[in-house]
Amino acid sequence: EIVLTQSPGTLSLSPGERATLSCRASQSVLRSYLAWYQQRPGQAPRLLIFSTSVRATGIPDRFSGSGSGTDFTLTISRLETEDFAVYYCQQYGSPLWTFGQGTKVEIK
Amino acid sequence: QVQLQESGPGLLKPSQTLSLTCTVSGASITSLQYYWGWVRQHPGTGLEWIGHAYYAGSSTSNPSLQNRLSMSLDTSNNQFSLSLTAVTATDTAVYYCVRGMARQVFDAFDLWGQGTTVTVSS
Repeated sequence: EIVLTQSPGTLSLSPGERATLSCRASQSVLRSYLAWYQQRPGQAPRLLIFSTSVRATGIPDRFSGSGSGTDFTLTISRLETEDFAVYYCQQYGSPLWTFGQGTKVEIK
Repeated sequence: QVQLQESGPGLLKPSQTLSLTCTVSGASITSLQYYWGWVRQHPGTGLEWIGHAYYAGSSTSNPSLQNRLSMSLDTSNNQFSLSLTAVTATDTAVYYCVRGMARQVFDAFDLWGQGTTVTVSS
């Protein structure tokens, strides 16, 4: 099983600031099959990024993904009010698909 | 606009069988561009992949649930279903049905239902 560890657990920032979220895998993620999801309170998750760096339909370009192997990053260039939420990474490169435990981005 | 809507019992007793259905509107589950699956979220915690099925292929599931789980596609009603036997309190969670992109591989989940809360309690 590939364990995904996200850091930090909580990120306290102000609107307009840059957010950098990390997702580290216990083993190399095959072909960078890694996605990022956003979950706002009381809502279902929403796909932001797939295949490490491809933005999903309708996702603003302030969201970007990068990385390879075992280290992946989600960057939000300038935080908007609606971006304060929990973010999960997910790998689907191994037979057992797994999620990270989440990073909460909160208003400072 | 494509939508997924889960339905099923909100409360179960231990040892019973959980049956959930996801109704798809605005798209066909026979599409070769997508696969259909389930993810759950235990109270206050993260996400767990349950499994998924593809119209043109077989289903695959989390090994931790494999012995209790079955999934199916109902093309007549454009629905897909999950059945989980012998439930315990650890199966208490919000269950989401999801659509995934079937590209060169089975890619990420690009659409989620609103989720349905399932509680297992005696």
